[in-house]
Amino acid sequence: SSDLTQDPAVSVALGQTVRITCQGDSLRSYYATWYQQKPGQAPVLVFSGKNNRPSGIPDRFSGSSSGSTASLTITGAQAEDEADYYCNSRDSSGYPRVFGGGTKLTVL
Amino acid sequence: EVQLVESGGGLVQPGRSLRLSCAASGFTFDDYAMHWVRQVPGKGLEWVSGISWNSDNTGYADSVKGRFTISRDNAKKSLYLQMNSLRVEDTALYYCAKDMGPSGSICEYWGQGTLVTVSS
Repeated sequence: SSDLTQDPAVSVALGQTVRITCQGDSLRSYYATWYQQKPGQAPVLVFSGKNNRPSGIPDRFSGSSSGSTASLTITGAQAEDEADYYCNSRDSSGYPRVFGGGTKLTVL
Repeated sequence: EVQLVESGGGLVQPGRSLRLSCAASGFTFDDYAMHWVRQVPGKGLEWVSGISWNSDNTGYADSVKGRFTISRDNAKKSLYLQMNSLRVEDTALYYCAKDMGPSGSICEYWGQGTLVTVSS
């Protein structure tokens, strides 16, 4: 399957840890890429590969992978982390064809 | 500072054509692959097309293959998307994105998008 599945919505209390997951067969072969999108804004890359966090992204964002499941963990969620999060994966062509449906994160 | 500015969007009738452009600055344009990603307002992201640094390699989503053509002009630091035989379902905000490498699969920076509306 070329699909990536994400929970539509997740909530976390301020300062607590939350894990956003992404499932799909392509993740057995390729790392997930994670994007954050706030309302009315373009997506922002927050994590990619085995352990790549772009400069400017807080170190409370981390990624992991096991089998067909990739996870984005926010350790100590902040109010500004409230956003939609999308996972993405390349396929054998090398292009990032597959996006997950997105997870809306609410920080309570 | 990386800047990507899309243009060319607008209202177009089904079956007609439109050409999107993306002007890049703040980085060595011909070192990086580029992508187009679209988003129906209120919905998720959909990768549309990508092109390698030297245009040798291009890719398309099944939904646009045969109708859309991606190209780039490295001298002008510009990316293009020629969209033919447009359908109502092509209505979306189209983002231009810079890859992390010359032929990769990670959209490191994104423009603000240009809105394409296909309607009669």
